[in-house]
Amino acid sequence: AQTVTQSQPEMSVQEAETVTLSCTYDTSESNYYLFWYKQPPSRQMILVIRQEAYKQQNATENRFSVNFQKAAKSFSLKISDSQLGDTAMYFCAFKGGATNKLIFGTGTLLAVQP
Amino acid sequence: DTAVSQTPKYLVTQMGNDKSIKCEQNLGHDTMYWYKQDSKKFLKIMFSYNNKELIINETVPNRFSPKSPDKAHLNLHINSLELGDSAVYFCASTLAGGYQETQYFGPGTRLLVL
Repeated sequence: AQTVTQSQPEMSVQEAETVTLSCTYDTSESNYYLFWYKQPPSRQMILVIRQEAYKQQNATENRFSVNFQKAAKSFSLKISDSQLGDTAMYFCAFKGGATNKLIFGTGTLLAVQP
Repeated sequence: DTAVSQTPKYLVTQMGNDKSIKCEQNLGHDTMYWYKQDSKKFLKIMFSYNNKELIINETVPNRFSPKSPDKAHLNLHINSLELGDSAVYFCASTLAGGYQETQYFGPGTRLLVL
């Protein structure tokens, strides 16, 4: 069975600095998708970034980028120039195999300090 | 232009009651989901429908019954509500085989059972 692990329950970063959130996963699938979702206090689940496993190039979306290490089954999220609005719970998610379901990690609560 | 909408956003009810949560998407997607987020923020799939057909049914008590009248709607009916049903319920949708299989989430329904 696939599993997703986020080992950092909470993290803190100063405004304008860079922070990296960790995520590891376990799967026997060769093709799959990985996602980072952000959940601010409003509770809305917002897609931050996505990566297809067969693409070697790391995905980037403005200040957000990933470090995808397929052999190590690692998918970390880097947030550059952190802003107060980045304060949220961040979830790593895996999608692969025959089903369409997302398997989520337990989340990392990120606090951006002024 | 709300992509995935849920009603109601908040639901407070007594143990033993029956309640329904509705979900609608206007993205033209063919696959819809219900996820449950517990008090520790853990997100877990409950059900998935593709073109009105149930394709995922996790180990959810049979007091929970999803219904999909058409591919744009997926409702969740809960009978005999229990304290442990208190959670945030998210609806999501995707286009099977669509761009990177991304799921888009509704705003969530916070259910509190007293």
